[in-house]
Amino acid sequence: AQRVTQPEKLLSVFKGAPVELKCNYSYSGSPELFWYVQYSRQRLQLLLRHISRESIKGFTADLNKGETSFHLKKPFAQEEDSAMYYCALSVDSSYKLIFGSGTRLLVRP
Amino acid sequence: GAVVSQHPSRVICKSGTSVKIECRSLDFQATTMFWYRQFPKQSLMLMATSNEGSKATYEQGVEKDKFLINHASLTLSTLTVTSAHPEDSSFYICSALGHHQQYFGPGTRLTVT
Repeated sequence: AQRVTQPEKLLSVFKGAPVELKCNYSYSGSPELFWYVQYSRQRLQLLLRHISRESIKGFTADLNKGETSFHLKKPFAQEEDSAMYYCALSVDSSYKLIFGSGTRLLVRP
Repeated sequence: GAVVSQHPSRVICKSGTSVKIECRSLDFQATTMFWYRQFPKQSLMLMATSNEGSKATYEQGVEKDKFLINHASLTLSTLTVTSAHPEDSSFYICSALGHHQQYFGPGTRLTVT
C-alpha cells in the first residue's frame, strides 16, 4: 500500500540552524513527491516538487529512491519558516495525493 | 492567480440536517477537484475525486451516499454532508487541479450539534 511517513511531529530549532524534515514513502512504482507548507491561519500551499529540482525559500529536497526518502532541507532556518510541513505522494496520473501526518517546524529566535 | 475559495468558512448545524459546502476555482477552470477531511492535529485524508460532468470517485471507506459530491461546472464542486451527525464534525478542505498541481481552498469547519 502507498504510504507517506513523517516521523517527527515537531521539530524545534534556533534561527540560523540547519533544518531537515524527514519524509519516507512506500510505493513500488515511480513516485512523484511534493512538500506542502501551511503557515499559521493560511491555506495549504505547494512548496516544492521533486521533478522541478528547484529551491524555494532556501528549501531543497532530493528524491532518494534507494532509501525511499524525500527529506526537506534548509541550511539556515528563519523564524518565518515556522509552519506545518506536509510531505505528499502522487502515485498515478490522477494527481491524487497521499499526505504524511505532517511536521510542525518551530524556529526560535 | 490560481485561487480556490470555499463557502462557508464555518458552519454549525443540528444533527440530522444536511449541509452543503461549495468549492470554487476563481480564476481558472478545473475539470478535477478533490475533497479532503482533516481531523484535529492530523493529516489530510482524501475523501473523493470530483470530475466535472461525471460521477465522483470515492476513496475506500467513504460513504458516497453520506457525502454527496456534484461537479456541475468547470469552476464549482459541492460537497453535501447528508443527515449529519456529531462524528461528521471536522475540517473539510477542497482543492482544484490546475497547471498539473493542486490548489487548495481555505477549508470549512463543520460542527454538528
